[in-house]
Amino acid sequence: DVKVTQSSRYLVKRTGEKVFLECVQDMDHENMFWYRQDPGLGLRLIYFSYDVKMKEKGDIPEGYSVSREKKERFSLILESASTNQTSMYLCASSLYWVAGGPETQYFGPGTRLLVL
Amino acid sequence: GQQVMQIPQYQHVQEGEDFTTYCNSSTTLSNIQWYKQRPGGHPVFLIQLVKSGEVKKQKRLTFQFGEAKKNSSLHITATQTTDVGTYFCAGTSGTYKYIFGTGTRLKVLA
Repeated sequence: DVKVTQSSRYLVKRTGEKVFLECVQDMDHENMFWYRQDPGLGLRLIYFSYDVKMKEKGDIPEGYSVSREKKERFSLILESASTNQTSMYLCASSLYWVAGGPETQYFGPGTRLLVL
Repeated sequence: GQQVMQIPQYQHVQEGEDFTTYCNSSTTLSNIQWYKQRPGGHPVFLIQLVKSGEVKKQKRLTFQFGEAKKNSSLHITATQTTDVGTYFCAGTSGTYKYIFGTGTRLKVLA
C-alpha cells in the first residue's frame, strides 16, 4: 500500500512565523502535490513537483514556496504566515501522468493549520 | 480561468434512495477522476474516465463522462450509511492543468 505521511496533524502558528509542512511518500512516486482545502472551495492546488528539484506553480502559489531535495520528500513553506492561510493542507503523490494529468493520487492525512 | 463546479453542494438522502452528483467544467477535459473523502479523512481515489461517453461501474456506483468531455456524473444506487462523505471530481485540461471540483457532501439518513 502507498503511504503518504505528513509531519503534523494539527499546527498552531502566529502571524509572521515561517512554517514548514513536510510530506513523505514511500512508493517512489515521481509526482508530489500540495493542496489546501477550504469549505465550499474544494481542493486547490498550491504547487506540484514532477521530479527532484523540479516544481511548478498550481492555482494559488502566492505566499507559499516548496522544496523537493529528495524524491520521497516534498516540503511546503509559508514564508510569513498570515491568518488567511489558516486551512487544511493535503499532500498527495502519484506515479504517472495520464493524458496530461496525474494518474491516481494518494493523499496524506492532512495538516490542519491555524494561524493566529 | 478554468472552473469545475459540482452540484449539488449538499445532499441529504434517506438510506436506500439514489444519489447523483454532477461535475461541470468550463473547458474540455482530457480525463476526469472521482475521489471520496469520508468525514475527518482524506480523499481516496475511486475511478478515472478518459474516453468520451465512457461509463464505468463499481458495484452500486456508476460513473459517466460526457460526450463533449466537459461534464461527468456519479450515481449511487440504493445509498447506504457507508456512502457518507464528500465526493470530488478532478479534471485535467491541458498539460499539467489539473483542477478539483468544489465537491458534493452526501449525508445518508438511516
